[in-house]
Amino acid sequence: NAGVTQTPKFQVLKTGQSMTLQCAQDMNHNSMYWYRQDPGMGLRLIYYSASEGTTDKGEVPNGYNVSRLNKREFSLRLESAAPSQTSVYFCASRPRLAGGTDTQYFGPGTRLTVL
Amino acid sequence: GESVGLHLPTLSVQEGDNSIINCAYSNSASDYFIWYKQESGKGPQFIIDIRSNMDKRQGQRVTVLLNKTVKHLSLQIAATQPGDSAVYFCAERAGTASKLTFGTGTRLQVTL
Repeated sequence: NAGVTQTPKFQVLKTGQSMTLQCAQDMNHNSMYWYRQDPGMGLRLIYYSASEGTTDKGEVPNGYNVSRLNKREFSLRLESAAPSQTSVYFCASRPRLAGGTDTQYFGPGTRLTVL
Repeated sequence: GESVGLHLPTLSVQEGDNSIINCAYSNSASDYFIWYKQESGKGPQFIIDIRSNMDKRQGQRVTVLLNKTVKHLSLQIAATQPGDSAVYFCAERAGTASKLTFGTGTRLQVTL
């Protein structure tokens, strides 16, 4: 199993450009998440998908859209990138809660710089 | 280079010593807590978890302590090794929500 994979690993955009960050998991997990991580701050939730076909806003959704394409894939789109969106983006997945550990499994991250 | 982790509180310990990393959580309704380890350039990795009906849980070289009275969580690492150098985050979950709230993290530096 590859676990959670993210593409691209690095990206530089100019202000106003758009792009989509891709995330896929091969663990048959139901829930998927997008976070951003900024210096000196913890992970902040952008959007999540509790199950295939549903998406919900997290703490910092402005400027982003998401698509839960199928059970495996959850993409994050920046329609018009701004310098404030310079960050490291992490995707995570979580199995259906069935007692025991209720952890999220993280991908390696995408480092995005907006000039 | 890795920009995440700038301005974080830092704990510096000598190899072989025990480390204690602390976390204050915010929500008295939180019923589940996790510690994550994040190495430079990588995503967070699960270390250990604890439910609110427990005060202590032990893993391999790690122990998590939960004090609900003061909303405090700690991670103890025994015989700290250079490979333990990383940023450590606590996370809390409130009720049945599928969301976690993360702390800001502590950088652990292990000196030889």
